[in-house]
Amino acid sequence: QKEVEQDPGPLSVPEGAIVSLNCTYSNSAFQYFMWYRQYSRKGPELLMYTYSSGNKEDGRFTAQVDKSSKYISLFIRDSQPSDSATYLCAMGNTGNQFYFGTGTSLTVIP
Amino acid sequence: NAGVTQTPKFRILKIGQSMTLQCTQDMNHNYMYWYRQDPGMGLKLIYYSVGAGITDKGEVPNGYNVSRSTTEDFPLRLELAAPSQTSVYFCASSYGSNTEAFFGQGTRLTVV
Repeated sequence: QKEVEQDPGPLSVPEGAIVSLNCTYSNSAFQYFMWYRQYSRKGPELLMYTYSSGNKEDGRFTAQVDKSSKYISLFIRDSQPSDSATYLCAMGNTGNQFYFGTGTSLTVIP
Repeated sequence: NAGVTQTPKFRILKIGQSMTLQCTQDMNHNYMYWYRQDPGMGLKLIYYSVGAGITDKGEVPNGYNVSRSTTEDFPLRLELAAPSQTSVYFCASSYGSNTEAFFGQGTRLTVV
């Protein structure tokens, strides 16, 4: 079983839609959860960082962590064409390695 | 600050050749990482380092070697290139083990 599962998509939505991106994981020891955004032919860049369970909001982005279900989500409100990218979830515990999902490709159509 | 800089951006190697992928960071980060990214496979950790002089294997270390003689530099060495090493390689650094990782722009390597 993979440490982290993420639906690769692709996901295509109209501009202004609410986007929901999700990951599930198997290791209950994970405490640190991140979402990275990766534009084509670029390196990943951090969008959201959360510790343990709960919600975190930053502008149009909201990250949710449900440790009881081993499930994390990223919501994008009022999606824009500039949000078109691949979104990677990542998670880890107190060790030295983060485990990444395979990424979900998102296209926002004007 | 330049952040994390990788060179080269692109490279084509023949089977059996060797090369070094360069990575340098100017953020004084202790932790540095090498990942490879294959289509549909996400990022896989090759090697990491928690400080100068200390390196350790990640998930997919076979066929690669690293060194960390300074805080800034973390080169990745391929000794005998194989087609299976065709991938995009990302170097990253972070201040601590569970803090934000900053990525370079990647090296696109093709082995023919």
